[in-house]
Amino acid sequence: NAGVTQTPKFQVLKTGQSMTLQCAQDMNHNSMYWYRQDPGMGLRLIYYSASEGTTDKGEVPNGYNVSRLNKREFSLRLESAAPSQTSVYFCASSEHGYEQYFGPGTRLTVT
Amino acid sequence: AQSVTQLDSQVPVFEEAPVELRCNYSSSVSVYLFWYVQYPNQGLQLLLKYLSGSTLVESINGFEAEFNKSQTSFHLRKPSVHISDTAEYFCAVSFTGNQFYFGTGTSLTVIP
Repeated sequence: NAGVTQTPKFQVLKTGQSMTLQCAQDMNHNSMYWYRQDPGMGLRLIYYSASEGTTDKGEVPNGYNVSRLNKREFSLRLESAAPSQTSVYFCASSEHGYEQYFGPGTRLTVT
Repeated sequence: AQSVTQLDSQVPVFEEAPVELRCNYSSSVSVYLFWYVQYPNQGLQLLLKYLSGSTLVESINGFEAEFNKSQTSFHLRKPSVHISDTAEYFCAVSFTGNQFYFGTGTSLTVIP
């Protein structure tokens, strides 16, 4: 099992550009999450999906959109990137809130 | 509002000394509790978890944590740390089964 995979690992964008971060899990989990990690701020929830076909905002949703494509895949889209979105992005999945499994992360720099 | 507080942002400790990383949460409902570890440039890995049952839980690499309901705490301890324990440690709480709340992390540095 690969667990949770994320692509790309690194990305550099110019202000105003758009991109989609991809996430997939092979553990048949219902819930999936997108977080951003910034120094001194821990993990902040951007969006989550409790099940296929549903998505909900987290703590910091502004500037992002998500799509739960199917049970396996949950993508995060930046429509118009801003320097404030420079961060490390983590995708995670879980079942019944027992524990989360994390992907390796995407390091995004917006110049 | 639900919250998780890690009281120490940085903890330096000498090799083979004991360490305690503190975590408190605010909740009036049942919770699941977790400690995650993050090594440099990696994702988060589950270190240990409390779901129910014994309030003392242990990891395979010598860490332990105790759920204290009256003090709403879940402190992480290790009696003797190694250089390889140097990492960022995150406490997390699940209240509703779908959402997880993370502390801001504690950077543990083990000094030779």
